[in-house]
Amino acid sequence: AQRVTQPEKLLSVFKGAPVELKCNYSYSGSPELFWYVQYSRQRLQLLLRHISRESIKGFTADLNKGETSFHLKKPFAQEEDSAMYYCALQTSGSRLTFGEGTQLTVNP
Amino acid sequence: DTAVSQTPKYLVTQMGNDKSIKCEQNLGHDTMYWYKQDSKKFLKIMFSYNNKELIINETVPNRFSPKSPDKAHLNLHINSLELGDSAVYFCASSRAGDSYEQYFGPGTRLTVT
Repeated sequence: AQRVTQPEKLLSVFKGAPVELKCNYSYSGSPELFWYVQYSRQRLQLLLRHISRESIKGFTADLNKGETSFHLKKPFAQEEDSAMYYCALQTSGSRLTFGEGTQLTVNP
Repeated sequence: DTAVSQTPKYLVTQMGNDKSIKCEQNLGHDTMYWYKQDSKKFLKIMFSYNNKELIINETVPNRFSPKSPDKAHLNLHINSLELGDSAVYFCASSRAGDSYEQYFGPGTRLTVT
């Protein structure tokens, strides 16, 4: 069965510091991985997906099949990055399996 | 111009009651979903419909019954509400197939007393 693990429930950094949100997955097939973000009092929205290899709001994520990881990184965190971040694995039938989420707080 | 909308936004009700949550999307998507977010913010899929046909039905009590009158709507009816049903319920939609972004509604916070 598929599984997504985000080991850090809470992560706190200072503005301008690098940030890395960890995500590991377990899946026997070819993974389709996403990061979704939920800002305070807003709906969940897509941040980025691994197949497009894009950088959104300065965030990047690289799929490492050897380590079964899809960590989210940003070199210089901003206060507006404070939010709940979910790593998600898509399997058959467009089913999304979410990790437990990491609440990121960027302090001034 | 809301893409995925849900009503109501908040729902407070007593144990044993029956309630419905409505979801509508104006994106022309074929696939719609219901997710449950518990008190620890954990998100789990409940149901998925593709063009009005049920394609995902997770291990959800049969008190929960989704209904899709057309592909733009996916409603969630809950019978005999229990305290453990208290959660935020999110509707989402996407194009059919893999790798497509899912668009989420604002959520419905259900509180069962």
